[in-house]
Amino acid sequence: GESVGLHLPTLSVQEGDNSIINCAYSNSASDYFIWYKQESGKGPQFIIDIRSNMDKRQGQRVTVLLNKTVKHLSLQIAATQPGDSAVYFCAESGGSNYKLTFGKGTLLTVNP
Amino acid sequence: NAGVMQNPRHLVRRRGQEARLRCSPMKGHSHVYWYRQLPEEGLKFMVYLQKENIIDESGMPKERFSAEFPKEGPSILRIQQVVRGDSAAYFCASSPRGTVSNQPQHFGDGTRLSIL
Repeated sequence: GESVGLHLPTLSVQEGDNSIINCAYSNSASDYFIWYKQESGKGPQFIIDIRSNMDKRQGQRVTVLLNKTVKHLSLQIAATQPGDSAVYFCAESGGSNYKLTFGKGTLLTVNP
Repeated sequence: NAGVMQNPRHLVRRRGQEARLRCSPMKGHSHVYWYRQLPEEGLKFMVYLQKENIIDESGMPKERFSAEFPKEGPSILRIQQVVRGDSAAYFCASSPRGTVSNQPQHFGDGTRLSIL
């Protein structure tokens, strides 16, 4: 029969709370990481990036943390707003300098 | 600034027909990437092109799929003799340089291909 799609990990938060979305990667050769936001019916939208020689980078309301020891990446969104509701993907370059490998994604739902 | 433009946004084809997906990169970008996305999954790399050259097509099926990026005009992803399994969203991205570092890939809104 037809296979059932895997459900996305989900995170539900209240408006105004902080959100933390996590991502694990496996390729120790990866030296560049990006977080994308994808709204329904749209393409991935760049949020923030980080190179492997850094462990933290901040943008407007967002912070990315990189732990190379355990190959873990996180995206923190401060004061989450309803407009932040979307699927969030981490992507890594895998050492190719151009070929992005995407994680499965996390569905963030912001409750008013 | 216009972003990456893809058309059509939705494309319906019957099994055995051909599908042509078009992508115009952002102004000033000469590097184009195609990705495929199945429902509730991340994007999967298919092919990387520069003007008139295919740099890496390691993610593209060996048969029925082809891509080009001519000197003039948009990049084209062509799928011949489509099958049900080709149903997916196809995204195009562009960057000013081939290396990802410091210049993230910018994506279009995709073409949703449905095979009847």
